[in-house]
Amino acid sequence: SAVISQKPSRDICQRGTSLTIQCQVDSQVTMMFWYRQQPGQSLTLIATANQGSEATYESGFVIDKFPISRPNLTFSTLTVSNMSPEDSSIYLCSVARNQETQYFGPGTRLLVL
Amino acid sequence: KNQVEQSPQSLIILEGKNCTLQCNYTVSPFSNLRWYKQDTGRGPVSLTIMTFSENTKSNGRYTATLDADTKQSSLHITASQLSDSASYICVVSRKAAGNKLTFGGGTRVLVKP
Repeated sequence: SAVISQKPSRDICQRGTSLTIQCQVDSQVTMMFWYRQQPGQSLTLIATANQGSEATYESGFVIDKFPISRPNLTFSTLTVSNMSPEDSSIYLCSVARNQETQYFGPGTRLLVL
Repeated sequence: KNQVEQSPQSLIILEGKNCTLQCNYTVSPFSNLRWYKQDTGRGPVSLTIMTFSENTKSNGRYTATLDADTKQSSLHITASQLSDSASYICVVSRKAAGNKLTFGGGTRVLVKP
């Protein structure tokens, strides 16, 4: 398994500001992902965080809005830029060492006023 | 279109009773099917993962079944406990594009004393 921590665990932000969420894993992993879970909904993949290169974004998500960094095999950040109330969600980091098992972090609960 | 449908959307059961959750999928090509448990405000935790050749897998009081021919899976909870109150998410992995995950909408289970 993998132990994943996210910071902050929750935040309340004003519209127009940006928030950077950190994801730390206790061991090296091949793949890291960022998901969004809007209230009452299931998870939606935002992007795959690639170590040392630009993230791979899913349809509907762009780098200007959700810049991602992954400087090494155990750490990644997701920034939610120029926030609006529609960005209020839980943001989850997940990791995988192989194609079989994906582990999720505890999530960051974001409320934008 | 690759989809995962879960039923029921929610259910209430009495402590000690059994229940079964359903998952139908159209994801292709199929790699594996996972069931996750997500407590309120937390990240999903893996319960079981099954490949094409597996038709049943247990994890304590949780038993998952898979019929790859009919593309159906179920999750059976035996002798439910209050701590089983959570959302249960069926997730199917595709054998392509980095084994991308397709999430079901989840079944919200409430166990009452």
